[in-house]
Amino acid sequence: GESVGLHLPTLSVQEGDNSIINCAYSNSASDYFIWYKQESGKGPQFIIDIRSNMDKRQGQRVTVLLNKTVKHLSLQIAATQPGDSAVYFCAENPSSGGYNKLIFGAGTRLAVHP
Amino acid sequence: EAGVAQSPRYKIIEKRQSVAFWCNPISGHATLYWYQQILGQGPKLLIQFQNNGVVDDSQLPKDRFSAERLKGVDSTLKIQPAKLEDSAVYLCASSWIGEQYFGPGTRLTVT
Repeated sequence: GESVGLHLPTLSVQEGDNSIINCAYSNSASDYFIWYKQESGKGPQFIIDIRSNMDKRQGQRVTVLLNKTVKHLSLQIAATQPGDSAVYFCAENPSSGGYNKLIFGAGTRLAVHP
Repeated sequence: EAGVAQSPRYKIIEKRQSVAFWCNPISGHATLYWYQQILGQGPKLLIQFQNNGVVDDSQLPKDRFSAERLKGVDSTLKIQPAKLEDSAVYLCASSWIGEQYFGPGTRLTVT
């Protein structure tokens, strides 16, 4: 399948290690943030979200951290597996109570090596 | 639950030709989105429908792009005439409240 992340920054990790993917967002008024995973030939898939009244949220093997002071978002993946290899995008919702508009970041390719 | 369906999956056309993409959202989802994803970039929203009404089309190049969702269910996105810079993956997504679910996309190559 085609690559969606041909020219994206790449994070290479060993299987079993923890991964941290970072994202800087643009709008200080954004109140909702989402991490998406996109594999080649597929559409983005929801991983985890966080609202601006929180600074940390945990899911299964994933944790999202939000630092509103510096407008920074990170995704931590524990015990990274080969199936985690994909391009990861952060997205922000710049409107509150609106129609769920999302603005996507540039993306980071995660390459997991056995 | 069936996901968002899109067709065709791939399309190759020459510049100045026309092309249309079709999307069938998840049943019951009132909101439908069309995104353009250029290689190496994140998806960019082109147009957002709430039922059959347009909520946001601020980034849709209206001189060549059009979209409709006449019955508030499936939708078509058309490009006429196509330019080389329109080469991209066109993603459709739908939502009820909150999370957007994406289809597999249509990869358009304009030569």
